Amino acid sequence: KNEVEQSPQNLTAQEGEFITINCSYSVGISALHWLQQHPGGGIVSLFMLSSGKKKHGRLIATINIQEKHSSLHITASHPRDSAVYICAVRFGNEKLTFGTGTRLTIIP
Amino acid sequence: EPEVTQTPSHQVTQMGQEVILRCVPISNHLYFYWYRQILGQKVEFLVSFYNNEISEKSEIFDDQFSVERPDGSNFTLKIRSTKLEDSAMYFCASLGPGLAGVEQYFGPGTRLTVT
Repeated sequence: KNEVEQSPQNLTAQEGEFITINCSYSVGISALHWLQQHPGGGIVSLFMLSSGKKKHGRLIATINIQEKHSSLHITASHPRDSAVYICAVRFGNEKLTFGTGTRLTIIP
Repeated sequence: EPEVTQTPSHQVTQMGQEVILRCVPISNHLYFYWYRQILGQKVEFLVSFYNNEISEKSEIFDDQFSVERPDGSNFTLKIRSTKLEDSAMYFCASLGPGLAGVEQYFGPGTRLTVT
């Protein structure tokens, strides 16, 4: 069965801390997405990866295809980074299969 | 920057009523999707649509659901006879030409409440 696991489920950190959120999946994929969902519910796409590493501002996403694992890092975290971060993968076809999300809270 | 739009933002309906959720995908995109998220749960795939037909659907997408692209811009999800368990946030997404290296763009969602 094609599954996506995220950890941790909840993460609370102090402003300025380096944050890591992990995602692992069960079988080979064609692409992996990191998404951000704010309390209002809207979803924003942060990254799409099929290999290697991408960086955008304070966000870094990496993927290890052999280990079937991806990480999302946030450097110099800020309270406005507080959101649910979701890993979603494409198992070769078009649709996305979603992880359960990681609720991140950054305390000032 | 182009964006996917959805209307309404919130819909309240009585059980058994029909609802139509509307989406306007990004204009040059060819692949369209509906996802839903029940409160407190993960996002789930409902259906994908390409070339004016359904390309894949999940087991959730039963005969009560239908999708349509009635014109060149709108993409709609219809629920014929709503049930309490249809209460959820419904997200539309679109994907640009060619699957490789292209991101899905999500709309802001429609919160459906069935009473």
